[in-house]
Amino acid sequence: KQEVTQIPAALSVPEGENLVLNCSFTDSAIYNLQWFRQDPGKGLTSLLLIQSSQREQTSGRLNASLDKSSGRSTLYIAASQPGDSATYLCAVTGGGNKLTFGTGTQLKVEL
Amino acid sequence: DGGITQSPKYLFRKEGQNVTLSCEQNLNHDAMYWYRQDPGQGLRLIYYSQIVNDFQKGDIAEGYSVSREKKESFPLTVTSAQKNPTAFYLCASSINPNNEQFFGPGTRLTVL
Repeated sequence: KQEVTQIPAALSVPEGENLVLNCSFTDSAIYNLQWFRQDPGKGLTSLLLIQSSQREQTSGRLNASLDKSSGRSTLYIAASQPGDSATYLCAVTGGGNKLTFGTGTQLKVEL
Repeated sequence: DGGITQSPKYLFRKEGQNVTLSCEQNLNHDAMYWYRQDPGQGLRLIYYSQIVNDFQKGDIAEGYSVSREKKESFPLTVTSAQKNPTAFYLCASSINPNNEQFFGPGTRLTVL
């Protein structure tokens, strides 16, 4: 059974800092990995999707990498802003076309 | 304006009642999904549908039912058999399985 772990569970950084969020998964037989953002009480916003054949994807200040063989992904946020404060979730699509989610990293960017 | 809508935003249920949560999408996506989110836990898959008139149980389907009579709609019924239904429910869709999933704004269900 696929298990997805995100470390750390919570992170607080000063504005302007570059930061890395980590995601690991136990079964490397995945189709893709997706990073989401969730604001309190809201739905999920898709940030980046990495196909299993890709190594990384970039969107603006965000860069996500995937090392399928070691079961790891990182989300790099450059020059963090208070508006980046949210919970970040990673999820992998594996057998049965089902998405398995991690429990998220709660990020707070302080002025 | 394309997207996924869920209604209602907040729902209160008395014990023993069935309630239905609405999910509609105008993205022309084939696949639709229902997830449940509880504090401190990741999202868990309740049911999913890859095509009209077909759906499969997810990891926590007990006490829930769905239908997929139209491509645009995937309603979820929370039955009285669901012993702990208080949670945040999220609907999602994707153009086909294994593609990027897009989420609605969610429905918060509270049992009184």
